[in-house]
Amino acid sequence: GENVEQHPSTLSVQEGDSAVIKCTYSDSASNYFPWYKQELGKGPQLIIDIRSNVGEKKDQRIAVTLNKTAKHFSLHITETQPEDSAVYFCAATRSGGSYIPTFGRGTSLIVHP
Amino acid sequence: EAGVTQSPTHLIKTRGQQATLRCSPISGHTSVYWYQQALGLGLQFLLWYDEGEERNRGNFPPRFSGRQFPNYSSELNVNALELEDSALYLCASISPGQPQHFGDGTRLSIL
Repeated sequence: GENVEQHPSTLSVQEGDSAVIKCTYSDSASNYFPWYKQELGKGPQLIIDIRSNVGEKKDQRIAVTLNKTAKHFSLHITETQPEDSAVYFCAATRSGGSYIPTFGRGTSLIVHP
Repeated sequence: EAGVTQSPTHLIKTRGQQATLRCSPISGHTSVYWYQQALGLGLQFLLWYDEGEERNRGNFPPRFSGRQFPNYSSELNVNALELEDSALYLCASISPGQPQHFGDGTRLSIL
């Protein structure tokens, strides 16, 4: 089955700095990679996703890159703000309803004002 | 559009008791997934229901079970509760080809 490794487990940055979270996956058939943000007391919320036919996707201050050959993908947050503080999860799966996403263990991002 | 709703928000039980957690998916979503989120372990897949049928289950003992009703809402039942069952239980619903949408979870505490 799929195995997803996520690093680092904790990331502390100053407001305005960039933050990068990296994930690797094992199943070369995985073709859909969502990222979720989980704030305290809330469920995970999808913030960005990427499919395997694309190498990079951006949405304002957030971007995700995918290297299919190396089987890793990364979340980049620029100009971090205190409200970016949360736990971020990556996931990998094959698209389609029959497949269960495998999640990384999460990265706790702390943005200091 | 209302999101995925879960109830109760918090549930406190003692060892050996039984717990029932409920989930209402987004309107139009027919698939419901249950996850256990224990501290430091990420999201562990529990169960997947689609069109009223159990389609897949994760590596959890049979005392974790559930069902999906004709209106696509779902229940997760945990029997013979153990201390290590203390966790946040998350429900997600999905429309085919779209990503999962999560509820805010039920915090289950076992005393």
